[in-house]
Amino acid sequence: AQSVTQLGSHVSVSEGALVLLRCNYSSSVPPYLFWYVQYPNQGLQLLLKYTTGATLVKGINGFEAEFKKSETSFHLTKPSAHMSDAAEYFCAVSDRRGNAGKSTFGDGTTLTVKP
Amino acid sequence: NAGVTQTPKFQVLKTGQSMTLQCAQDMNHNSMYWYRQDPGMGLRLIYYSASEGTTDKGEVPNGYNVSRLNKREFSLRLESAAPSQTSVYFCASSAKGRQGTNTGELFFGEGSRLTVL
Repeated sequence: AQSVTQLGSHVSVSEGALVLLRCNYSSSVPPYLFWYVQYPNQGLQLLLKYTTGATLVKGINGFEAEFKKSETSFHLTKPSAHMSDAAEYFCAVSDRRGNAGKSTFGDGTTLTVKP
Repeated sequence: NAGVTQTPKFQVLKTGQSMTLQCAQDMNHNSMYWYRQDPGMGLRLIYYSASEGTTDKGEVPNGYNVSRLNKREFSLRLESAAPSQTSVYFCASSAKGRQGTNTGELFFGEGSRLTVL
């Protein structure tokens, strides 16, 4: 069984400040890990993913995440927040052995960016 | 680039009515999924189809049925709608990578917002 915990359902930062969204996962096998972003009234779109190899993963819009196996974490960061980053962010985990599209999602974190 | 297309985008039903949500993808993906999204609960998998001709239950299948009509289309049916099925429904698809295994990356439609009164 897999699970995802996103710490903090709401995060607020000032424009230009560091963005840090936390994600911890539980998986009995080496996982695939994902971050998705959802803008209002839209579907989810992939920000970045970790499958294998380099543990620091770079995604779109300046976001990156680091897979830390010892901490079972996959936190999402961006050095400088932009107003357009305001959205809901979901961390997800899937089992690479089975159908890897069967993802388990966290409850989401809503990011607010203040001017 | 259409990607994943869902219809209808909005629907209001009365308790006990039936309806079908339609989903089509034009990316030649093998696997397709139906998720529901409820406030504060993330997305939960209802049913999925790993390939044409196969369907399997996800985390919350009760009250739903699915049909993988062909490689492109995957429909979700509510036979007798209940207020607990008020939600936003997302269809998604995923591809096989070069090694033949699922890449895991999901491509989502824009969602279908269903209200059951």
